[in-house]
Amino acid sequence: SAVISQKPSRDICQRGTSLTIQCQVDSQVTMMFWYRQQPGQSLTLIATANQGSEATYESGFVIDKFPISRPNLTFSTLTVSNMSPEDSSIYLCSVEGQSYGYTFGSGTRLTVV
Amino acid sequence: AQTVTQSQPEMSVQEAETVTLSCTYDTSESDYYLFWYKQPPSRQMILVIRQEAYKQQNATENRFSVNFQKAAKSFSLKISDSQLGDAAMYFCAYRRDFGNEKLTFGTGTRLTIIP
Repeated sequence: SAVISQKPSRDICQRGTSLTIQCQVDSQVTMMFWYRQQPGQSLTLIATANQGSEATYESGFVIDKFPISRPNLTFSTLTVSNMSPEDSSIYLCSVEGQSYGYTFGSGTRLTVV
Repeated sequence: AQTVTQSQPEMSVQEAETVTLSCTYDTSESDYYLFWYKQPPSRQMILVIRQEAYKQQNATENRFSVNFQKAAKSFSLKISDSQLGDAAMYFCAYRRDFGNEKLTFGTGTRLTIIP
């Protein structure tokens, strides 16, 4: 299965600022998925990132708030823009692995103060 | 749209005993995949077990097994000989049988192991 390196593992940010989260995969993958996990909640898909095209966003998520970069088949970034305390969550990236299972990054715990 | 429901927010089990976590889902598709993921306090999402909808045989991975009832749209996870390391959040997840499909997650069940 693919191995994903996700950075940073955690951060504390001031409201109104932005944070960029990076995911590096050790193999080429077509799609990368970005999820948000609010405190005590399940995972919700933010967007799907395909190399060479704009990301596809789920209902309730917009590009201005969560811009995504996918410059090549092994790397992607998610930016959380103009942060507010409601953005405090764990953010995870994911790729499809072998046999239709999915591999996840270790997550970024974001706290907005 | 597909939905996944986990009706047990919390479960507890004595060490070495067996526990079953419930999951139901709703879909109009005939081909799909179901998963159980474990999320310990480290936040890492770990794949526990996977079931293909076209397979009648229930999946098994060591102490973990599923009871897949396609007609009832039910997908429960049985953990045998529970160990302290099994303590975690467990998420049931669904995906359609297409390439590069997203996962839809249930709300999770927090499993506590009692020594």
